[in-house]
Amino acid sequence: QVQLVESGGGLVKPGGSLRLSCAASGFTFSDYYMNWIRQAPGKGLEWVSYISKSSSYIEYADSVKGRFTISRDNAKKTLFLQMNSLRAEDTAVYYCARDVKVAGPGWLDPWGQGTLVTVST
Amino acid sequence: DIQMTQSPSSLSASVGDRVTITCRASQSISSFLNWYQQKPGKAPKLLIYAASSLQSGVTSRFSGSGSGTDFTLTISSLQPEDFATYYCQQSYSAPHTFGQGTRLDIK
Repeated sequence: QVQLVESGGGLVKPGGSLRLSCAASGFTFSDYYMNWIRQAPGKGLEWVSYISKSSSYIEYADSVKGRFTISRDNAKKTLFLQMNSLRAEDTAVYYCARDVKVAGPGWLDPWGQGTLVTVST
Repeated sequence: DIQMTQSPSSLSASVGDRVTITCRASQSISSFLNWYQQKPGKAPKLLIYAASSLQSGVTSRFSGSGSGTDFTLTISSLQPEDFATYYCQQSYSAPHTFGQGTRLDIK
């Protein structure tokens, strides 16, 4: 079955770095755009970034631009999010999600279970 | 950036009720609007894509409509498992913004 499993979350000090991974299975990873979305504790969903199938097209939310880098390894069916210069406001559960496009803009399905990132002293 | 505004932010309803949640975009997004359901401690789940298409495996109690700037999610007859938080999301242009969510509680 189609599955996404995130890993790499944890506790990090302000200004620190963390690299999240999202392992995909059950589908042809290289055929899909992929996304990162986050959710701060008790808050709503915030779209973070997406990457095209061949990594040629990437977009970021303004809140993470210049600090976070999305990438992918199609051979290893894995999505990454390198997070630098972390701030307290980056504390959230980070989800990866597959972007399903038929013709034009798409939708997110499925989502992984999420990995918690806590930025604190 | 396109702003997505949901109303209401919270809603109390009873089993069997018909419920409608509204999502408004700050500019036209054609039909590039998706709806997700999230239960506590769980990842969001896709319900409706492209404004009105029901995701495979999702009960037909859920339906979506709208285009341009105004969209609705309707639950025809609430069941206990429908009490959750619902989010709209536009995929028309990056950043692919979400609405702030609508929390649906049992009355």
